[in-house]
Amino acid sequence: GAGVSQSPSNKVTEKGKDVELRCDPISGHTALYWYRQSLGQGLEFLIYFQGNSAPDKSGLPSDRFSAERTGGSVSTLTIQRTQQEDSAVYLCASSPRGRGAGGHYEQYFGPGTRLTVT
Amino acid sequence: SQQGEEDPQALSIQEGENATMNCSYKTSINNLQWYRQNSGRGLVHLILIRSNEREKHSGRLRVTLDTSKKSSSLLITASRAADTASYFCATDEGAQKLVFGQGTRLTINP
Repeated sequence: GAGVSQSPSNKVTEKGKDVELRCDPISGHTALYWYRQSLGQGLEFLIYFQGNSAPDKSGLPSDRFSAERTGGSVSTLTIQRTQQEDSAVYLCASSPRGRGAGGHYEQYFGPGTRLTVT
Repeated sequence: SQQGEEDPQALSIQEGENATMNCSYKTSINNLQWYRQNSGRGLVHLILIRSNEREKHSGRLRVTLDTSKKSSSLLITASRAADTASYFCATDEGAQKLVFGQGTRLTINP
């Protein structure tokens, strides 16, 4: 079946502009995660959605970042007034079960959106 | 700081040799996962080992977990050029999220 898809694959924007990044998770997956990865670095957790529960926003670096998940499916990550330090690859992942008694389950990643702020 | 810390940061070996990567973490965990990333894009889940497991195999992959030392290792046997990638461990942190380490960049030389 179809995997996680993200759009756009690349985005170049000018400093100060707003951007929206989209994630389409695997159908039926209840959990959705956003991460950020700077060049040659590990993944930085941004936000976690699980079903109808309030999202875990603890990883969002500033109030310029926000995300929503509509109808428990598609998610949009919005960055307002972009800065050069926002340049990174933004990765979305979904999981069939999210966090359970045994911890977090395996995640399925999309190909990412490479954001460049000039 | 990252919950999971991989070691070494980079590893270069000849095709056919075995590759071993290590991951250390700081707090108690429910499970530990290993992922592979090619070309800086999406990650692929390799294996999940639960805190009550000590060893797990999947094809040419062998993962061990030592909760007393708070460490895990990933062994790739009979390496191939296609194994060239970055490898990340991920652990639970607190109650909500997975935390990924900085990764090990593995290069397999033909």
